[in-house]
Amino acid sequence: ELKVEQNPLFLSMQEGKNYTIYCNYSTTSDRLYWYRQDPGKSLESLFVLLSNGAVKQEGRLMASLDTKARLSTLHITAAVHDLSATYFCAVAPVERWGKLQFGAGTQVVVTP
Amino acid sequence: DGGITQSPKYLFRKEGQNVTLSCEQNLNHDAMYWYRQDPGQGLRLIYYSQIVNDFQKGDIAEGYSVSREKKESFPLTVTSAQKNPTAFYLCASSIRLGRNQPQHFGDGTRLSIL
Repeated sequence: ELKVEQNPLFLSMQEGKNYTIYCNYSTTSDRLYWYRQDPGKSLESLFVLLSNGAVKQEGRLMASLDTKARLSTLHITAAVHDLSATYFCAVAPVERWGKLQFGAGTQVVVTP
Repeated sequence: DGGITQSPKYLFRKEGQNVTLSCEQNLNHDAMYWYRQDPGQGLRLIYYSQIVNDFQKGDIAEGYSVSREKKESFPLTVTSAQKNPTAFYLCASSIRLGRNQPQHFGDGTRLSIL
């Protein structure tokens, strides 16, 4: 069974500090997506990682993909309150062709 | 502006009742998807459609039905056979079904049991 595991599931951040969210998956895949969800809202696409070694950065967020380790990381630099949200990774393995498998999400709360 | 419109935002279902959630997109996307989200969990795929008049079961299709008569529309019916329908339902679309195709999401419908 394909598993996508995020950790931690909850992350309390202090403003100005750096943190990392991990996304491990159990099958071969070189396609991985990161989404952000605000409470009661829809999902917003953050990053699309389409190959081994892919690194994408936007503002204080940086995502990377290591397909050999079956691991993606979402790094947050100098956290600010606006980054409070739930972050999901989703894997697109070959055997599911186009059908994403989501992790459970990491709820991030940034406090002063 | 192009996007995905889901309605209603909130929906209540009585015992034994079927209810239909609407999803419309004006992005000219071929592929559309329905997901269910439960508190503290990731999204689970209910049904998906590659093209008009075609749809396939996802991971949790039991108790749900869909149709795809128009490219723009992909309504989801939650039938009385779905014994635990309370959840947040999200519709998504992509240019086509494929591993490189980012999915764009609607704002969701929150379904509760009366």
